[in-house]
Order: sequence, then structure tokens, then C-alpha cells
Amino acid sequence: DAKTTQPPSMDCAEGRAANLPCNHSTISGNEYVYWYRQIHSQGPQYIIHGLKNNETNEMASLIITEDRKSSTLILPHATLRDTAVYYCIVRVKGLYYKLSFGAGTTVTVRA
Amino acid sequence: NAGVMQNPRHLVRRRGQEARLRCSPMKGHSHVYWYRQLPEEGLKFMVYLQKENIIDESGMPKERFSAEFPKEGPSILRIQQVVRGDSAAYFCASSTGGEGVLAKNIQYFGAGTRLSVL
Repeated sequence: DAKTTQPPSMDCAEGRAANLPCNHSTISGNEYVYWYRQIHSQGPQYIIHGLKNNETNEMASLIITEDRKSSTLILPHATLRDTAVYYCIVRVKGLYYKLSFGAGTTVTVRA
Repeated sequence: NAGVMQNPRHLVRRRGQEARLRCSPMKGHSHVYWYRQLPEEGLKFMVYLQKENIIDESGMPKERFSAEFPKEGPSILRIQQVVRGDSAAYFCASSTGGEGVLAKNIQYFGAGTRLSVL
């Protein structure tokens, strides 16, 4: 019941920026977009979240379109340790606590 | 700051035995969530608990599974009479809460317990 669409996989060269797209065309006006990643079956790691404005932290940047129907996670300088499955998540409508994980994007960073 | 602690990391059980998975939330967090990840699948929400209360257990199988988060001690996910289909990674997450649709709710995950049923 995921409400997001992501490409199944992408490759990225080490040291280059990785741009991960996500479509969430049914997102409600007050719903946050969250990004998590899961490295080789470890526990999911929180990356960043946003509502309307672009966000940046020490790990990544999040660009949200003006209509909020899509977003892009940017890893500015990908390293081999960034190889993981990246999940773009919106909450189940009306249930702020229920994170709905889809299949995510498998990102492979190559040397 | 210690993160979310789960134990054991690996658990092997024979069919029909009981499995108990433990989760200690991050310091200051009073909300706990359990998710299950079957092999080659995504994470699925199971249950949301606050201290001494089950808020939403809609993702829990109707039989054999139960969860608690007592006033003192860790949260426990209990699986009775395990079957091979219960083999999966079970992840616990915690948060500070945040009520309502407008609230952000950042959940921090533990490393998981990998249950193998022989």
C-alpha cells in the first residue's frame, strides 16, 4: 500500500552526486516526505524529511517540487558506503505514525 | 547516546517453540513500533505501542503474535508456536511521539532481530 513510486535501481560513480527521484502524486497537503536507507539488511537509517521547502542536512539534500507531487534526494558526493536501498516514504493518510515502505531504489555506488 | 537496542540479533527456533524479541527505545523515547521484513520484501508495519498501551496493532497477524511495552523494561514482541513462515527480520523503531497529522514523526530503527525457524 505504498503511495510512492521510485525507480527500482540506479548506479552512481563514487564522488559524484546521486539524484534519487520519487513520485508521491497523492500526497496530502500536510504530509511530510521522509527518506530512509537500508544498508545490506541493517536497520533502516533516517536520512531527511521535508514538508514544502527544500531541506539540507549533513547527509543529504531534499528538493520538493512546488506542487509537492515529487521530490529528489541528493547525495552530494556519493561514497561506496552509500550503497543501499533508499526509501521515499509518506505516511498512511490519517495515521501519522504508520510508515509505509515500498520497494525503494537500490543504489549502487561504483568506484 | 545509545540508539535503539534490539536483542537478540539472531534467534533460531524450531517449529512450535516461542520467540521473544526485545527492544529498548532510545533515551527519552516513549513510542515504539515493530516492523517485519520477510526475505526479499519491504518492511511492513506490525504494531505501535506507547507505555502500557497498544495504539495500533493492525499489522499483527491475528494469531500467535503479541506485543507489549510495560511501564518498566523493554518492549517485547512475542511469537508463539513459530512456523517457518515467521522467519524474517524484525525491526523495532522508537520516537518521541508527536500527535496528529501535522506532527513530524521521525522513527529511529534498531539493528533488528533475525529470526530463523527450523
